[in-house]
Amino acid sequence: DAGVTQSPTHLIKTRGQQVTLRCSPKSGHDTVSWYQQALGQGPQFIFQYYEEEERQRGNFPDRFSGHQFPNYSSELNVNALLLGDSALYLCASSFVGEEKLFFGSGTQLSVL
Amino acid sequence: GQNIDQPTEMTATEGAIVQINCTYQTSGFNGLFWYQQHAGEAPTFLSYNVLDGLEEKGRFSSFLSRSKGYSYLLLKELQMKDSASYLCAVKDSNYQLIWGAGTKLIIKP
Repeated sequence: DAGVTQSPTHLIKTRGQQVTLRCSPKSGHDTVSWYQQALGQGPQFIFQYYEEEERQRGNFPDRFSGHQFPNYSSELNVNALLLGDSALYLCASSFVGEEKLFFGSGTQLSVL
Repeated sequence: GQNIDQPTEMTATEGAIVQINCTYQTSGFNGLFWYQQHAGEAPTFLSYNVLDGLEEKGRFSSFLSRSKGYSYLLLKELQMKDSASYLCAVKDSNYQLIWGAGTKLIIKP
């Protein structure tokens, strides 16, 4: 049973570019959440998707957008990249109503 | 604002017991979580407390006092593989997870 998978594992971009990160949830899970984790910090909630709709959103600008597909996989898009967007981006999946989150290994994004 | 405080770093000896504290001030409370994160890896779930008291799971136990806004994670019979960061997170009134910065636990032989 595959867990949460994220791609790519590492990415280097320059300021102003756009990036798309991908996530496949654990089998049987229908809810996907995205987090940003800066070095030495805890994760910061970006948004959550359920039934292809953004259900909740954290305190992130509109440059951060997402999508969930019918197979429950999800994408995180970031436009007009800033140096401060450099971080580990984590995807977590769960089954609706379940408290426990399963995390992927993340995508390390570096913005130069 | 919302705030979760944990010690930045702790050191303990293999075979010993360590307690990692977490205090929180959040808008509402819908549960407290502990996750373990090894360097360069994904966080993994350790425990969930929503009612006051102690939850025991093998070598790990987690305690919650909602009136004090306080929790701790207790690790017994420490092993070298327990060297990791331990993240405390609280689900607020909007059911969003608010995370602490994590406690880096260093285990020495």
